[in-house]
Amino acid sequence: DVKVTQSSRYLVKRTGEKVFLECVQDMDHENMFWYRQDPGLGLRLIYFSYDVKMKEKGDIPEGYSVSREKKERFSLILESASTNQTSMYLCASSRRSGQAPDTQYFGPGTRLTVL
Amino acid sequence: AQSVAQPEDQVNVAEGNPLTVKCTYSVSGNPYLFWYVQYPNRGLQFLLKYITGDNLVKGSYGFEAEFNKSQTSFHLKKPSALVSDSALYFCAVRSYGNNRLAFGKGNQVVVIP
Repeated sequence: DVKVTQSSRYLVKRTGEKVFLECVQDMDHENMFWYRQDPGLGLRLIYFSYDVKMKEKGDIPEGYSVSREKKERFSLILESASTNQTSMYLCASSRRSGQAPDTQYFGPGTRLTVL
Repeated sequence: AQSVAQPEDQVNVAEGNPLTVKCTYSVSGNPYLFWYVQYPNRGLQFLLKYITGDNLVKGSYGFEAEFNKSQTSFHLKKPSALVSDSALYFCAVRSYGNNRLAFGKGNQVVVIP
């Protein structure tokens, strides 16, 4: 089975802090994704990586950056946390499009609260 | 552009009754369609997907979905709902060659004992 793990289930940070969210997958997937989930808004893509050191902005990249130094690990960074970044953060991974199976598999999520 | 609409915020159904969660999509070219389920404080779990072939797709936990190209729909169904099916359900779409998924806003399903 595919396993995607996230470093924390719950996290509380203060405004202005630098926050790191880590995601690791064990299926040698090329693609990795970071989403945030908010009630009534569904899942919105923050950043996407299709290979080591490669990244692409999603729909809401402002206030975030990412790092992918190794294939299995994809980090989301909040440079200076703000209260409007309080949310559930979900990581996912998949094979490259066209390579079956390319379903996205999700981690358990990190619920981040910024005070 | 690709997008999904899930028109109902919440679906209430009595245990043992049929369950339907609606999804319509918009995409250029042939669609790849997915359903995911999310239990409280958990990540999304994959239920089923349509890529090509038979319009009726069977998935996990007794769920199935029917692809209807003319109506651009991919409704999720289960013949007999269980209380344990109470969860948040997401429909998603992408086109061939596109690595990104577009998600709907989600439907809360409440199965009443």
